Amino acid sequence: EPEVTQTPSHQVTQMGQEVILRCVPISNHLYFYWYRQILGQKVEFLVSFYNNEISEKSEIFDDQFSVERPDGSNFTLKIRSTKLEDSAMYFCASSGPSGRGNEQFFGPGTRLTVL
Amino acid sequence: GQNIDQPTEMTATEGAIVQINCTYQTSGFNGLFWYQQHAGEAPTFLSYNVLDGLEEKGRFSSFLSRSKGYSYLLLKELQMKDSASYLCAVRISGGYNKLIFGAGTRLAVHP
Repeated sequence: EPEVTQTPSHQVTQMGQEVILRCVPISNHLYFYWYRQILGQKVEFLVSFYNNEISEKSEIFDDQFSVERPDGSNFTLKIRSTKLEDSAMYFCASSGPSGRGNEQFFGPGTRLTVL
Repeated sequence: GQNIDQPTEMTATEGAIVQINCTYQTSGFNGLFWYQQHAGEAPTFLSYNVLDGLEEKGRFSSFLSRSKGYSYLLLKELQMKDSASYLCAVRISGGYNKLIFGAGTRLAVHP
């Protein structure tokens, strides 16, 4: 069964450093998302991406964040200057134009630790 | 604003039935999803409701009442592996399918 993949599984970085989290969505999907989950808290929407542009973003997704689909398969989330409070699990998700309510399939996540 | 409420924790016995409730008040509604999440893992899709009524899928069923802003997830014949968090999520209309999640209900299944 097709699945969303994410790399790395765990990223440790120093405060102020840039990080890039990578995702490979399911190949025939058209909608891509990033969510984050701070330890012990709920899953929060960050951004959605469709037709090679951001379609919606939350208030969390400020100027420090950016997303890109550099080629036909990868979908990346960049944090320019990480802060301690960016420590969280980051999930990539994708959905297609049809199927059971356009369910979103989640990747295994990248655990980001900012020191 | 967006508000999704579900109980924080529940416990149940192996083989029993458990119902996890979710109430929501959101600006726009285009479907309600239930996801299962084991600790440290990604959410995995369980069920989807967009119309009122019950959707059944094996041991799992989900119910929706749009007029009441209410849903529940029913798990039958509980197994130890069902110990996990269950996330209620509303898809917001007018956007590109973004999901707003509740805080999740941590279910512990005991022998």
